[in-house]
Amino acid sequence: EVQLVESGGGLVQPGRSLKLSCAASGFTFSNYYMAWVRQAPKKGLEWVATISTSGSRTYYPDSVKGRFTISRDNAKSSLYLQMNSLKSEDTATYYCARHIAATSFDYWGQGVMVTVSS
Amino acid sequence: DIQMTQSPPSLSASLGDKVTITCQASQNINKYIAWYQQKPGKAPRLLIRYTSTLESGTPSRFSGSGSGRDYSFSISNVESEDIASYYCLQYDNLWTFGGGTKLELK
Repeated sequence: EVQLVESGGGLVQPGRSLKLSCAASGFTFSNYYMAWVRQAPKKGLEWVATISTSGSRTYYPDSVKGRFTISRDNAKSSLYLQMNSLKSEDTATYYCARHIAATSFDYWGQGVMVTVSS
Repeated sequence: DIQMTQSPPSLSASLGDKVTITCQASQNINKYIAWYQQKPGKAPRLLIRYTSTLESGTPSRFSGSGSGRDYSFSISNVESEDIASYYCLQYDNLWTFGGGTKLELK
């Protein structure tokens, strides 16, 4: 059974940093592109970052480019999101998601909440 | 960047109705669109990919169609378990979600 379990969320002040983790199991992690998707409270879904199987290619929307960094450790079947210079508008539930061959997302974690507030 | 305009933002239906949601892309997305269902407090669930391919476990009352810039998603014979929010996702060029449609019971 595919499982994705996020951790590392919490309350952080504006301008500070936070690192999210996602532990994957039930599939061969190194064979899949992976992503982070977020959802602000009572709002829609927003794609945040994608990483290739080897980690050599990463993709971001303009809203987080230069502030967020996605990475992975295939030996540990783990995905990460380093978030720097956090803003109040980054407050959201962050989901770890598996890509279907760099296309849509098929499996999602349960999400982890990040609150950016002073 | 590709923008996805999803409508309507909300929809009220009776059990047994047919409902349709549309997504218009800002440019041709070559049928690379998926549809997701999300219930409160839960992660999204993939229902349809590549415009009309139903995922395993997706009931046949769900369907998708379209081409070019214009796509639609329908539920025939709405059931109580279908009450949720629905999102389109384009994956032709990076990834962009539509704004979502909240389906409620009339």
